[in-house]
Amino acid sequence: KQEVTQIPAALSVPEGENLVLNCSFTDSAIYNLQWFRQDPGKGLTSLLLIQSSQREQTSGRLNASLDKSSGRSTLYIAASQPGDSATYLCAGSGSGGSNYKLTFGKGTLLTVNP
Amino acid sequence: KAGVTQTPRYLIKTRGQQVTLSCSPISGHRSVSWYQQTPGQGLQFLFEYFSETQRNKGNFPGRFSGRQFSNSRSEMNVSTLELGDSALYLCASSFSVLDTQYFGPGTRLTVL
Repeated sequence: KQEVTQIPAALSVPEGENLVLNCSFTDSAIYNLQWFRQDPGKGLTSLLLIQSSQREQTSGRLNASLDKSSGRSTLYIAASQPGDSATYLCAGSGSGGSNYKLTFGKGTLLTVNP
Repeated sequence: KAGVTQTPRYLIKTRGQQVTLSCSPISGHRSVSWYQQTPGQGLQFLFEYFSETQRNKGNFPGRFSGRQFSNSRSEMNVSTLELGDSALYLCASSFSVLDTQYFGPGTRLTVL
C-alpha cells in the first residue's frame, strides 16, 4: 500500500528566498509523481508531472525531481513570491494494473512573506 | 478549452438524506476520478471511471457510489448522509489516469 509523506507540514519564508519541499513515498513501483498547489477553499492546480522514467521536470521557477530508489521527490521553488503562498501537495500513482488512483501526502502549507 | 466543472459548488444537507454530485470532465478526457478532502484525513481516493467502467474503488462504505455516462460526465451519490461526510469533494479528469490530472473546483458538502 502506497503511503506518501510531506515534510515540513508548514513553512514560512521571506520573499525572494529559494526553497525546497520534500515528498517521500513507500512503494518504489511508482508510475509517476505529480505536484499540485491548492489555494484556500479551491481545487487543485497541477504544477508538474514526473514520469517514472524521468528524473526531473521544470516549469518556470519550479523544478521537481524524482528518485525512485530512495522513494523521494523534491519541489524546488526559486525566488519565491507572496503569490506562491498556498498548500503544496504531492501525489503518486501506481504502476498500472488495477491501481488507478493517486495517493496524496497531507501537504506543505507555504507562506511567503513580503 | 473549458476546465473540469463540478455542480453544485455548495450543498447543505441533513443527516439521513442523500446527495448527488456532478462532474463534467475536460473535453476528450475519458478518465474521471473522485476524491474526498477533509482537514483530518486529507485527500482520499473514492473511485475512478474510464469509459463508463469503474476500475478502482477506495476504502469507503457502500453508501458512496458513482457512475459515468457515455459522454464521460460522472456523478457520485452518497446515501444516508452522516455528519462525517462533510467534506470538499473533488473530481479530476485526464486522458488516462496515469496522465496529468486536472481537478475541478470541488463541491463543498455540509451535513447538519
